[in-house]
Amino acid sequence: DGGITQSPKYLFRKEGQNVTLSCEQNLNHDAMYWYRQDPGQGLRLIYYSQIVNDFQKGDIAEGYSVSREKKESFPLTVTSAQKNPTAFYLCASTPSGGPWTEAFFGQGTRLTVV
Amino acid sequence: KQEVTQIPAALSVPEGENLVLNCSFTDSAIYNLQWFRQDPGKGLTSLLLIQSSQREQTSGRLNASLDKSSGRSTLYIAASQPGDSATYLCAVSAISNFGNEKLTFGTGTRLTIIP
Repeated sequence: DGGITQSPKYLFRKEGQNVTLSCEQNLNHDAMYWYRQDPGQGLRLIYYSQIVNDFQKGDIAEGYSVSREKKESFPLTVTSAQKNPTAFYLCASTPSGGPWTEAFFGQGTRLTVV
Repeated sequence: KQEVTQIPAALSVPEGENLVLNCSFTDSAIYNLQWFRQDPGKGLTSLLLIQSSQREQTSGRLNASLDKSSGRSTLYIAASQPGDSATYLCAVSAISNFGNEKLTFGTGTRLTIIP
């Protein structure tokens, strides 16, 4: 079945550590996105990529980094510079970076700072 | 700046009732509007996508309408079931300042169907 796979489902980070969240899709979609979800807030865009080897900052990119070396993969690194990383992280994809496309989401990774 | 509002934040109704969830947005220059369902601790599942040129979309017991000029969308759920309990989010798609498509989400309505 085609879809988006995020791993791990739960992740714990110590203060000062960098951690990487995985996102893989087999939908042959060009565009991929990372969102952060906090209680009582709408999803906020961290980074997006419309094509391999290209990505752009979203609304809350500070403290995060990404790479897009393969069409299928868009990993997100939460660096020690992110002061409040505890949140639910969602990866999404669309067939292209243009409009009139339906967004598909993974099952999310819950990151907790310990 | 596009803002999306969903009221109420939570709603409880008895099983079998028909119900309406509301979504409003401030900028009518959108490409499409999408309704999602989110179960606790899970990702988002797409329910319906309405293009800006369309007035409504239907899927089974779900019907979504769009009034772009007034900045409103509704999601109608007929004959509600306990399995419909979830958080429902709407998102509008528009071109951002950087020329890419951007989804702006509401904060959701948490729906509980009482058996």
